[in-house]
Amino acid sequence: QKEVEQNSGPLSVPEGAIASLNCTYSDRVSQSFFWYRQYSGKSPELIMSIYSNGDKEDGRFTAQLNKASQYVSLLIRDSQPSDSATYLCAVKPGSARQLTFGSGTQLTVLP
Amino acid sequence: GAVVSQHPSRVICKSGTSVKIECRSLDFQATTMFWYRQFPKQSLMLMATSNEGSKATYEQGVEKDKFLINHASLTLSTLTVTSAHPEDSSFYICSARASGLANEQYFGPGTRLTVT
Repeated sequence: QKEVEQNSGPLSVPEGAIASLNCTYSDRVSQSFFWYRQYSGKSPELIMSIYSNGDKEDGRFTAQLNKASQYVSLLIRDSQPSDSATYLCAVKPGSARQLTFGSGTQLTVLP
Repeated sequence: GAVVSQHPSRVICKSGTSVKIECRSLDFQATTMFWYRQFPKQSLMLMATSNEGSKATYEQGVEKDKFLINHASLTLSTLTVTSAHPEDSSFYICSARASGLANEQYFGPGTRLTVT
């Protein structure tokens, strides 16, 4: 079982819709969770971090964390074609210094 | 957010030569820096973790004598690819983390290395 799992996609949504990206992780003692966006040919960009159960909103982005279910998600409201990218879920396992990344979900927002 | 720079952004070198890539944290002190490699359409692969003033910790399968990492200060880490081969051609990305940034890691823009 992979430590951080994401549906690789591709996920296609129409412009203006809500895009929902999901991630599960295996280390129960993980405390820090991140979502990165990576455009083709570019490096990852941090868009959200979440540390507590519940929802965290930042503009059109909402991160949701459920530690009991070992599940973290990212919702993108009013999706735009410029949101088309690969979204990487990253988790900091309990004692590790480095993040563990999922393989990413490719999102395409159709105009 | 915190800013990390990388230089050069692109480099082409001949097989057998060495290439140095610099990674700098511009507005924070990076106690830990990470080096990743990414092949086209593949996931990020962590190569090594370095702390300022100490030896880097390399991931399994990464040759420490081929990929030399120096983290000489709290704002600068370098990766030197020695005796480069065409199979070393890849996208190399550094990231940096400061203790006061709640474990957030910020990535540099990456360096695209092509070995001919």
